[in-house]
Formats: sequence, C-alpha cells, structure tokens
Amino acid sequence: GQSLEQPSEVTAVEGAIVQINCTYQTSGFYGLSWYQQHDGGAPTFLSYNALDGLEETGRFSSFLSRSDSYGYLLLQELQMKDSASYFCAPQRPSGNTGKLIFGQGTTLQVKP
Amino acid sequence: DAGVTQSPTHLIKTRGQQVTLRCSPKSGHDTVSWYQQALGQGPQFIFQYYEEEERQRGNFPDRFSGHQFPNYSSELNVNALLLGDSALYLCASTKTEGGSPLHFGNGTRLTVT
Repeated sequence: GQSLEQPSEVTAVEGAIVQINCTYQTSGFYGLSWYQQHDGGAPTFLSYNALDGLEETGRFSSFLSRSDSYGYLLLQELQMKDSASYFCAPQRPSGNTGKLIFGQGTTLQVKP
Repeated sequence: DAGVTQSPTHLIKTRGQQVTLRCSPKSGHDTVSWYQQALGQGPQFIFQYYEEEERQRGNFPDRFSGHQFPNYSSELNVNALLLGDSALYLCASTKTEGGSPLHFGNGTRLTVT
C-alpha cells in the first residue's frame, strides 16, 4: 500500500519562506507531485519531481530524494494568496493512470 | 482551451436517491478519474476510465459506478445515497502517455439530506 505524511498546518507571515515536508511509502518507484487547493476550488498542479533534486518554478520550488522517499515544497516571498491547502502525491514517472493518492494535506495560513 | 468542466456545481439529494454527475475532460486528454473529497480531507480516488472502460478502482462500494463516452466525457453515478456520500466530487483528466499532470475540475458539491 501507500502512505503519506505531511504536517497538518503551517503558519507564516507575508514575505517569509516556508517549507512543507512530505514523506511517503510506495511499493514501486514514484516521483512526487504537488497540488494547491484554495477553499472551495479545484486542486491545481504545482510541480512534479521525477528525479532527485530541486525543481524551481518562480516562487515555488520542489525537492525530491527518492532514496529517502522524502520531498518538500518551498514557497518563497509568501503572499496572502498562497493561503491554501497543499498536497503531495506520489506519481509514476512514465505514463499517468489518473490515480493519485493524496494525504490530508497541509493547510498554509499566511498572515500579514 | 477549456479545462475540465463539471456539472452541476451543486446538488441536493435525499437519502436513497440516485445521482449522476458529469465531466468533460480538458482538450487532448483521454483519461478521466473521479475523486471524492470530504471536508478537511484530501481527494480520495474513486475510479479511472480510459478507452470507455473502468481501469482502476479505489476502495468504494458498487453503489459508485461510471461511464466514459467516445468523446472522452464521463459520468459518475451513485445509487442509494447515504448521508456519508455528502462531499465534493472532483473529476480529473490527463493524457495516458507522457506523464502529464492531472487537471481537476471545480467539482460538484453534493449534499445528501
């Protein structure tokens, strides 16, 4: 089976940097996807790491260590609009079956 | 380019009734998946359709069924509704080949009374 662990809540102030960690257990080789979901909205794809290392997309970066089954999402220069839930999800690197396993997610609250 | 569209946006049903939710995938996508998201929880995988067949299924009872049409659109049917079926139902689409990410619709909020 699969299991995921993320912190349930994180609070930070505008302009700060926050890191959301994710550890996972899977029965095969997986990369790691990150999704953002605002209250009442659809989950939105943020990033995907198929290989070890850091991927940077603007203010967001994501890191993966497959040997440690560990990844994190780094959000820089936090803005109020970054307040949302963030989900990590292991994903097969080749071909997407449409099945992702999500944990409970991390609720990020950005304060002025 | 329209993304994933779902209808209706909100629905209220009574216990024991049946409901059908609809989804049109993003243009160019051939795989549709359905997820149930209870309040405060992450989305839970219900099933996935590809080439008009159910390919994978999560831990949901047979009351949950679906269909995919030749134009790749999909329906989710839930029979004998229970109060616990109240949730946000999300449709997601992707291309089977290439490892593309899932694109989600805005969901249908189902309330069972």
